[in-house]
Amino acid sequence: EVQLVQSGAEVKKPGESLKISCKASGYSFTDYWIGWVRQMPGKGLEWMGSIYPGDSETKYSPSFQGQVTTSSAKSISTAYLQWSSLKASDTAMYYCAISSYDSSGQGGFDIWGQGTMVTVSS
Amino acid sequence: SYVLTQPPSVSVAPGQTARITCGGNNIGSKSVHWYQQKLGQAPVLVIYYDTDRPSGIPERFSGSNSENTASLTISRVEAGDEADYYCQVWDIHTDHYVFGTGTRVSVL
Repeated sequence: EVQLVQSGAEVKKPGESLKISCKASGYSFTDYWIGWVRQMPGKGLEWMGSIYPGDSETKYSPSFQGQVTTSSAKSISTAYLQWSSLKASDTAMYYCAISSYDSSGQGGFDIWGQGTMVTVSS
Repeated sequence: SYVLTQPPSVSVAPGQTARITCGGNNIGSKSVHWYQQKLGQAPVLVIYYDTDRPSGIPERFSGSNSENTASLTISRVEAGDEADYYCQVWDIHTDHYVFGTGTRVSVL
């Protein structure tokens, strides 16, 4: 079974750093793009960026370029999303997702992680 | 940047048909994916590549895409279809995904 399991909820202060994870199983981790999606409280879905674990190629939405970094560790089939200095406006649910039927990185996301809630508050 | 516009809300009576639109410049030239998101849950893909249904998605869900509007149609609406629905495309010009603004479907 293809599965993405994300790390648990986080409560952080403004200015702190954070790295959340997305552990993949049930498929060839290096062959499919992993996307990250933000959902602020009560708001819609926003694509942040994607990573191809095979060669670590990344793509970012202009809205998130320079604000976050995505990376991966092939040996443990895990993708990461990290912030160097959090802001209160980063408070949101973050999802990782893949298109398990389309390795081009352009398909719809049919497999989603359960989400990681990040709360940034002083 | 590419913009996808959806109506904020659609209301429909049980057993009737709901149609959710997704407007974008020449969206007919792109592949559109649709998601259902129920309260407190992760999104679920209900239509991909304009018209294809993932396994497990009822035939009541169908999609179309032409010119400047893509649509998700839910036939014989049930109470369990009440959710937020989002369209999504891959914009080949910017190499980015774009999500629509989202539509809340309410079952009367």
